[in-house]
Order: sequence, then C-alpha cells, then structure tokens
Amino acid sequence: EAGVVQSPRYKIIEKKQPVAFWCNPISGHNTLYWYLQNLGQGPELLIRYENEEAVDDSQLPKDRFSAERLKGVDSTLKIQPAELGDSAVYLCASSKLLGGTDTQYFGPGTRLTVL
Amino acid sequence: KQEVTQIPAALSVPEGENLVLNCSFTDSAIYNLQWFRQDPGKGLTSLLLIQSSQREQTSGRLNASLDKSSGRSTLYIAASQPGDSATYLCAVSLGTRSQGNLIFGKGTKLSVKP
Repeated sequence: EAGVVQSPRYKIIEKKQPVAFWCNPISGHNTLYWYLQNLGQGPELLIRYENEEAVDDSQLPKDRFSAERLKGVDSTLKIQPAELGDSAVYLCASSKLLGGTDTQYFGPGTRLTVL
Repeated sequence: KQEVTQIPAALSVPEGENLVLNCSFTDSAIYNLQWFRQDPGKGLTSLLLIQSSQREQTSGRLNASLDKSSGRSTLYIAASQPGDSATYLCAVSLGTRSQGNLIFGKGTKLSVKP
C-alpha cells in the first residue's frame, strides 16, 4: 500500500512569492491533515479535512494561507505571499476513520525555505 | 490549553541499554495518545497508539504506558540498537470537538552508540 505522497520535497522561494504544496493521502482515508513543523519543535495542526469539508481550520493564518481538498482526495496548501517566518516543514497526514480515532499516517513533508 | 512536555530533550545511551522516554500533558481529557518516531529529513512514523481507556500497548521491543489521571505516558525501549536513533514524539488527541487533532511535544532526540 502506498503511503502519503507529498510534493515537492523541497522548495526555495523569495519572500512575497506564492508557493503551493500538494498531498495525496492513502487510498480510502477520509481524514486529511496539514501540519507545520518548525526546527526543533513538534508539528502543529493547520487544518483538518473530513472528506472534502474543512472541519477545523482555526489555526490556519487565513490572510495568507489557503487550502482545498477537491473531491475529498488530494489536497493543496497555498501560501501567498510567503514571508521569511514561513520557512518550515509542511507535513500532510491522513487517517481512515472520521473523528480521528485511529492512527495518523504522515508523508515525508515539504521543506520550505523563504529567502 | 493542552500542553505536552517531553523529558529529556536529548538522550545518548550505549547499545543494549534499556531506556525510558517521558511525556506529560496538562489536561487529562484526552481521546488517545500516540508515540511517533521521526528520522532526520523524514516524516513521522506511528509506533504505538493508546486509547484513553487503555493502560499500555506493546509492539516488539517497545512498550508504552498511559496514566491519564496523572497526565503521564512513558515509552520503554528494551535492548536499544543503533537503528533506534531518531527523535521520538509524543502526541495527544483532544477529547473534544477537535477530536483527532494531535497536540505534539517537542520530542526526545535519542542516540544509541554502537
């Protein structure tokens, strides 16, 4: 079974430029999460989807961040415009059951560097 | 606000030693607790998940315990090996409408010397 796929793995951009990250969850997983991980810290949730509905986006900085999960499968996270402080690893995870009662499976992440 | 603390931040042990990693959380109203492993430049791999009604879970050389009332969990690694070197993260799932959202600690960086 293929794991969670993320692309790109690495991205370097100038500040004020837009950037987008893509995630393909494990087949059949209804719940999808985007996390942000700063160096030396644990991941922090940005947004959680159950099927195509964003059920918790309270931690998403909506002035510059946006996300979508069309058809309840793949998801895209976008930053526009990027700031220096956005440099971090962006992790996508998925789980099978609604309500988060089971194990979350993580992708390898996208490491973003903003210059 | 739920906070998760992991002690120690880093640990170095010789191969073959048994070791314990600690995790504490401030709000006992959790749904479950998970231990993850993260290798450099990689994503997280789930090791063990303990439901709030359970006391412990075991997988191979790993044993995780949960004491919800005191807000503590431990991860016990038996007969450590160099391949166990990684960062170990503890995360709790909130027992509220945000159920499923994980709150992570900062991790314990483990180094097992041959």
